Amino acid sequence: NAGVMQNPRHLVRRRGQEARLRCSPMKGHSHVYWYRQLPEEGLKFMVYLQKENIIDESGMPKERFSAEFPKEGPSILRIQQVVRGDSAAYFCASSPTSGEYQETQYFGPGTRLLVL
Amino acid sequence: AQSVTQLGSHVSVSEGALVLLRCNYSSSVPPYLFWYVQYPNQGLQLLLKYTSAATLVKGINGFEAEFKKSETSFHLTKPSAHMSDAAEYFCAVPNQAGTALIFGKGTTLSVSS
Repeated sequence: NAGVMQNPRHLVRRRGQEARLRCSPMKGHSHVYWYRQLPEEGLKFMVYLQKENIIDESGMPKERFSAEFPKEGPSILRIQQVVRGDSAAYFCASSPTSGEYQETQYFGPGTRLLVL
Repeated sequence: AQSVTQLGSHVSVSEGALVLLRCNYSSSVPPYLFWYVQYPNQGLQLLLKYTSAATLVKGINGFEAEFKKSETSFHLTKPSAHMSDAAEYFCAVPNQAGTALIFGKGTTLSVSS
């Protein structure tokens, strides 16, 4: 059973460009979470999605960031007009169910975004 | 509000020595607690989780953690460190809605020969 897949693994963008990060959850998982890891910091929750629905986006910056999880295909985290402060590792996780506090989230290898 | 605090951003041990990584939690709901490990340039891997079934939880790679409600702690231990244990370790607790994990800032474990 393949794990959580993320691509690209590394992404370089110049200031003002758009970054699109993709996440394919584990087979059978319909819940996706995005986290950001800034240098010298732990992981910070960004958004939680189910198929075609955003359930909790309380950790998403109000501007330039958006996420989707369409009925078909991977989840996408989009960052418009990137700035240097967006440079970080972005991790996707998935779970088969949620709303259950003990549910394990399975993490992908991450996308490391560098903004020049 | 849910939170975890990891005491010590960096822990160094010798190979074969005891590993102790500290985590204290704050939770307004019955706590479920997780330890994840992150190797360089990789994603997070679940080491173990506490779900109230037993206070002593055994995980992968010889790690275990003990839930102590009176001390609000969930410290991670391993009797004998191995070079391959060098990594960053994160303690986490679900948020109040159960929709996300709240992570500590992490502890980097170094193992010397």
